[in-house]
Amino acid sequence: EVQLVESGGGLVQPGASLKLSCVASGFTFSDYWMSWVRQTPGKTMEWIGDIKYDGSYTNYAPSLKNRFTISRDNAKSTLYLQMSNVRSEDTATYYCTRGWYYWGQGVMVTVSS
Amino acid sequence: DIVMTQGALPNPVPSGESASITCQSSKSLLHSNGKTYLNWYLQRPGQSPQLLIYWMSTRASGVSDRFSGSGSGTDFTLKISSVEAEDVGVYYCQQFLEYPTFGAGTKLELK
Repeated sequence: EVQLVESGGGLVQPGASLKLSCVASGFTFSDYWMSWVRQTPGKTMEWIGDIKYDGSYTNYAPSLKNRFTISRDNAKSTLYLQMSNVRSEDTATYYCTRGWYYWGQGVMVTVSS
Repeated sequence: DIVMTQGALPNPVPSGESASITCQSSKSLLHSNGKTYLNWYLQRPGQSPQLLIYWMSTRASGVSDRFSGSGSGTDFTLKISSVEAEDVGVYYCQQFLEYPTFGAGTKLELK
């Protein structure tokens, strides 16, 4: 069974950095592109970006590419999202996805002083 | 950016009735390969989004045949025949022709 489990969220101050993780199981992680998607408290969905199966290529939403970095460790079957200089508008639930079919349960990030 | 605009439903929808959700894209999602780069999702309360339809009209694995997708290059419809309690939630369309963008969502409530 495919499972995606995100972690690393919580309350963070504006301007700080935060790194989210997504541990994958039930499939060969190194065979698949992986993505991050977020959903704001108002339920707006936003694609953040994705990463090639070997980690050699990434794509980002233009509005986020300067602050967010996606990486992966195939040996650990883990996907990462490094968020820097966070803002209040980054408050959201963050999901990792495989293709568009498999989604994690999401992890909440709240940016507030 | 490709902007996705979703229509509203005349909520609440009576159980057993059909419901159609519309979605319009600001650019044609029909690729030269003949595929239309549009997905539909359902997000039930408290859950992650669930893929219902991909390539505009192909049902995802395990999805009820009460769900069907149709459309052209810029105008799309998700039809739910005989609405049931488990269909309650928010429906999203999403394009992935260019960097992916989502519609604002359409809420379905049951009568």
